[in-house]
Amino acid sequence: GDSVTQMEGPVTLSEEAFLTINCTYTATGYPSLFWYVQYPGEGLQLLLKATKADDKGSNKGFEATYRKETTSFHLEKGSVQVSDSAVYFCALSENGNNRLAFGKGNQVVVIP
Amino acid sequence: DAMVIQNPRYQVTQFGKPVTLSCSQTLNHNVMYWYQQKSSQAPKLLFHYYDKDFNNEADTPDNFQSRRPNTSFCFLDIRSPGLGDAAMYLCATKGLNGNQPQHFGDGTRLSIL
Repeated sequence: GDSVTQMEGPVTLSEEAFLTINCTYTATGYPSLFWYVQYPGEGLQLLLKATKADDKGSNKGFEATYRKETTSFHLEKGSVQVSDSAVYFCALSENGNNRLAFGKGNQVVVIP
Repeated sequence: DAMVIQNPRYQVTQFGKPVTLSCSQTLNHNVMYWYQQKSSQAPKLLFHYYDKDFNNEADTPDNFQSRRPNTSFCFLDIRSPGLGDAAMYLCATKGLNGNQPQHFGDGTRLSIL
């Protein structure tokens, strides 16, 4: 079945540092890929998405590129801010399937 | 403007006392979902509606039920809440296009006394 794997453990970094969160996936077809962000006490917000190979999703300085050859969708930001502290979930949806498969999420803590 | 609205944001109930959580949407989406999210975990899908068609996940306990009286509203009923049901409950919606993302509400935090 479809699955998403995110790197283990929280990520702690200093303000203005470079952020990378790894995400790899397993799917039988051609999924759409998403990054969601969850701020404390809130629901999930769509951060960015990509629907086909080599697409790059971007929003608020975050980027992720759909890499079919490595089945990856890593999230990057060049210079993080304290306000980026949140939990980040990678997810996929097979076309025609109404379900989302989530990764376990990564807590990101940005220190001033 | 909030497009998926969950009420209340915080709900406290007693052990075994039925509770209903509500969700409404202004997106006119065909699909509505209920998820349970426990601390430091990903959301877990309980069930979803495709229009009026109800789709239960195989591991969703019978204690959890849902109603969708119309396109805009969906309810989660917990018939006899146990301590293990304390969690954040998230509602989401999605349009019919397969590439569309799910849109989430802010959730209801349920506490059991």
